Amino acid sequence: GQQVMQIPQYQHVQEGEDFTTYCNSSTTLSNIQWYKQRPGGHPVFLIQLVKSGEVKKQKRLTFQFGEAKKNSSLHITATQTTDVGTYFCAPGGNQFYFGTGTSLTVIP
Amino acid sequence: NAGVTQTPKFRILKIGQSMTLQCTQDMNHNYMYWYRQDPGMGLKLIYYSVGAGITDKGEVPNGYNVSRSTTEDFPLRLELAAPSQTSVYFCASDESSGAGTEAFFGQGTRLTVV
Repeated sequence: GQQVMQIPQYQHVQEGEDFTTYCNSSTTLSNIQWYKQRPGGHPVFLIQLVKSGEVKKQKRLTFQFGEAKKNSSLHITATQTTDVGTYFCAPGGNQFYFGTGTSLTVIP
Repeated sequence: NAGVTQTPKFRILKIGQSMTLQCTQDMNHNYMYWYRQDPGMGLKLIYYSVGAGITDKGEVPNGYNVSRSTTEDFPLRLELAAPSQTSVYFCASDESSGAGTEAFFGQGTRLTVV
């Protein structure tokens, strides 16, 4: 299957600081999705990116898809305690693998 | 709209016992998936199905079996449970994985094998 790595694995930030997680693939992706999993919960879809260089925003969240469609990032501006959770990227494809995830802790 | 429903929510099994984790979706999705998530870890794909009657192995299929007799149901069977199968199991579905449509997840089944 596709190898998709996310960095960092863990991130602790003070509330109000920014946060970024990166998703890197060894192959060119047709599309990529991002999911959020709250502690004790199930993954919930955030967004899908399809086009090379695409940038999408959802309030404080900014998602980017690399020009070569091999990497993607999620940036959160001014984190809040409600942002706590693990963020996964998932490249499109029949087998629907997930990246390794980045666990975000926000310190009030 | 119920979405994806998993049962049971919790289960304790003894080593060597077997059980079936149920997963039903009411969105008429073709694609369905089973994942396991060990504590503090990511999601590992166990099996997936691209439609009724079609199943295939994912990353970690050993010790599990699946069937897909209908579009709605995708049960996961554990035979001869082992402590290594202690995990949280998630079922998911989407309309068409290849086209990158949104996947919907069930609430999960927390399984402990003792």
